[in-house]
Amino acid sequence: SQTIHQWPATLVQPVGSPLSLECTVEGTSNPNLYWYRQAAGRGLQLLFYSIGIDQISSEVPQNLSASRPQDRQFILSSKKLLLSDSGFYLCAWSLGLAGHNEQFFGPGTRLTVL
Amino acid sequence: AQSVTQLDSQVPVFEEAPVELRCNYSSSVSVYLFWYVQYPNQGLQLLLKYLSGSTLVKSINGFEAEFNKSQTSFHLRKPSVHISDTAEYFCAVSEVNTGFQKLVFGTGTRLLVSP
Repeated sequence: SQTIHQWPATLVQPVGSPLSLECTVEGTSNPNLYWYRQAAGRGLQLLFYSIGIDQISSEVPQNLSASRPQDRQFILSSKKLLLSDSGFYLCAWSLGLAGHNEQFFGPGTRLTVL
Repeated sequence: AQSVTQLDSQVPVFEEAPVELRCNYSSSVSVYLFWYVQYPNQGLQLLLKYLSGSTLVKSINGFEAEFNKSQTSFHLRKPSVHISDTAEYFCAVSEVNTGFQKLVFGTGTRLLVSP
């Protein structure tokens, strides 16, 4: 069966510090991978998606970046965090290119920037 | 571009009462429709989805949603809720025939079930 892991589960970082959140998927190959941010009262916002290694698309211009160094690994990074980067970050995966495919979400990382 | 509106940010209800969570969408093209549920401090799980065919779709835990094309709605209902249904519910759409799925989510509705 497939599983998706995210770490760390929680993170408290000062403004201006770097960030690295990791997401890995097990039990499947060539998944589509997604990073979402969930801010209070704002629902889920798609940040990045990837259909293959080193193929990253950005949905929202910001100070975050994403990388996919391996087929089942997706990393969200920042060189300098802002207060507005606080939120709940969710990684998800799906298979195939059909619009009706289910996305499977990880447990999330709660980031607080102070 | 698509958008999803969930007007109710929070819906309080007593156990065993019926509930309806509203979802309206806007799109110039055909869409697939989804409801995801998020239990406290967890990721999202797919509850049900409408792709085509019968406009009434059901989940295994008693929820159902009806696609209404003329009203561009996909409201979620349950005739009798349980305490364990307390969670946040997200409506989402994705465009048909894009070659890749990108979900557009609403802002979510928090369902609070009390005894």
